[in-house]
Amino acid sequence: EAGVTQSPTHLIKTRGQQVTLRCSPISGHTSVYWYQQALGLGLQFLLWYDEGEERNRGNFPPRFSGRQFPNYSSELNVNALELEDSALYLCASRVMGSPSPQHFGDGTRLSIL
Amino acid sequence: KNEVEQSPQNLTAQEGEFITINCSYSVGISALHWLQQHPGGGIVSLFMLSSGKKKHGRLIATINIQEKHSSLHITASHPRDSAVYICADETSGSRLTFGEGTQLTVNP
Repeated sequence: EAGVTQSPTHLIKTRGQQVTLRCSPISGHTSVYWYQQALGLGLQFLLWYDEGEERNRGNFPPRFSGRQFPNYSSELNVNALELEDSALYLCASRVMGSPSPQHFGDGTRLSIL
Repeated sequence: KNEVEQSPQNLTAQEGEFITINCSYSVGISALHWLQQHPGGGIVSLFMLSSGKKKHGRLIATINIQEKHSSLHITASHPRDSAVYICADETSGSRLTFGEGTQLTVNP
């Protein structure tokens, strides 16, 4: 069984640019979660998508957005990048409808210059 | 405000020692997760529990709902157990709130 895959693995951008990160969940998983782990900070919840809808959102500004496609893959978009957006962005997926653990991808490391 | 606190922040042990990491949370939860993060960032889900105790190999996780406290135990620790261990509580809306993590180093 293929795990959660994220792309790209590394990305370098400059302030003010826009970025799109991608996540493919485990087959059969309908829920996708996005998390941010900035250097020296703990993991923070960003977004939760299930069945193509945004279900919950963390305390992040509107320039962080995303979507989930009919095949349950997901994109995270960040506009007007700021230096503090430099972080590891992790995607996780799970089966909804019953308590189950989240399965994490290896993350995308985003560096803002 | 939902807060998750872990202790200790750093832990160094000798191979073979019994290890305990503690986690306290502040609000009612639907589940408590224990995660392992290796250098490079990859995260593995170790346990998800809402009551009692779970065991997987040398790892044991317990939770006390009344006291809002969970512990992760590692028996017969090994250098390959060296990693950051993170607890997270799950509240309504499938939202995880994470602790700061415990950096475990097991020396041979």
